[in-house]
Amino acid sequence: QKEVEQNSGPLSVPEGAIASLNCTYSDRVSQSFFWYRQYSGKSPELIMSIYSNGDKEDGRFTAQLNKASQYVSLLIRDSQPSDSATYLCAVNKLSFGAGTTVTVRA
Amino acid sequence: NAGVTQTPKFQVLKTGQSMTLQCAQDMNHNSMYWYRQDPGMGLRLIYYSASEGTTDKGEVPNGYNVSRLNKREFSLRLESAAPSQTSVYFCASSPQTADRGYTFGSGTRLTVV
Repeated sequence: QKEVEQNSGPLSVPEGAIASLNCTYSDRVSQSFFWYRQYSGKSPELIMSIYSNGDKEDGRFTAQLNKASQYVSLLIRDSQPSDSATYLCAVNKLSFGAGTTVTVRA
Repeated sequence: NAGVTQTPKFQVLKTGQSMTLQCAQDMNHNSMYWYRQDPGMGLRLIYYSASEGTTDKGEVPNGYNVSRLNKREFSLRLESAAPSQTSVYFCASSPQTADRGYTFGSGTRLTVV
């Protein structure tokens, strides 16, 4: 079992819709969780970090953490074509999921 | 603000050749990391350096060596390149505080033929 699991996608959503990405992890004592966005051919860039159970909002992005169920999710509201990218979940900084590719269709 | 600078951006090696990937950061970060990224496998940690003077193995260290030359620089060496090392390599850095995540370099695309 991989430490961090993500659905590879692709996840296709219409412009203006909500994109929902999920990530599960195996290490029950994990403390820090991150979401990165990676455009094709580019390096990952940090978009969200979360440490406590519940929701954390930053602009159109909301991260949700449930430590009891060992999952973290990312919601992208009012999706734009510029959100089309691969989204990587990272746990405890060192472990990354394989990423979910999101395509926002106009 | 340069952030994290990696060189070279592209490299083609023949099997058995050696090379060093260079990484430097100007953000006064304590921790530095080397990852490789392969299609469908995400980012896999090769080596990391939590602070100047220390290095530790990650998930896939075989075939690689690293040097934390000083606080700014962290190099990755392939002693005898193999086709299985064809990949995109990313260097990253972070403060030791947990809530900052990584800053990544632009990557090195390495092909071993």
